Amino acid sequence: EIVLTQSPDTLSLSPGERATLSCRASQSVSSSYLAWYQQKPGQAPRLVIYDASTRATGIPDRFSGSGSGTEFSLTIRGLEPEDFAVYYCQQYSSSPQTFGQGTKVEI
Amino acid sequence: QVQLVESGGGVVQPGGSLRLSCAASGFTFSTFGMHWVRQAPGKGLEWVGFIRYDEMNKYYADSVKGRFTISRDNSKNTLYLQMNSLSAEDTAVYYCARVGREFWTASYFDYWGQGTLVTVSS
Repeated sequence: EIVLTQSPDTLSLSPGERATLSCRASQSVSSSYLAWYQQKPGQAPRLVIYDASTRATGIPDRFSGSGSGTEFSLTIRGLEPEDFAVYYCQQYSSSPQTFGQGTKVEI
Repeated sequence: QVQLVESGGGVVQPGGSLRLSCAASGFTFSTFGMHWVRQAPGKGLEWVGFIRYDEMNKYYADSVKGRFTISRDNSKNTLYLQMNSLSAEDTAVYYCARVGREFWTASYFDYWGQGTLVTVSS
């Protein structure tokens, strides 16, 4: 199974700053089948990015994804108060689909 | 709009069984594969299993294989998760989630339910 390792575990930033989250895969993720989800306390995850770089419906353009192979990243340009949450990466190129352990973006 | 509503969670004793349901609306349920994902308290997301849109394929995480069974009733727009031989390690919020592409198996999850809590405790 593909193991996804996210870094850092916690990112402490202020509103307006840029956040860069990393997701490293133990094997190549084919077709860039990688997604990012945002989860706030007590809520279900919300799709942010799929296919490594495509924003989901309703996601503002301050969110961007990039990468291929084994290295992927999520960038949030100009953090808004509502962006502080836990972010998970997920690969769906091979079974079982796996998630990273999460990165908490905190104020 | 797409809605997924889970139900059936609760407290169950170790070794017991529980069946979760996920009622879908706002889309053509019979053309989308569905997943179950769980999250133990304070932990990350763990994929549990998948069922193809026509039930022709089902896949499970090793941690639940042989104990959990996913099924669906396309006439009722409902997904199910039958959980047997439960242990404390199965305590989690269980989410149903829709695949992002019609007829696909490998896909991201574009819609999630609100989750239902399963607590395994004596």
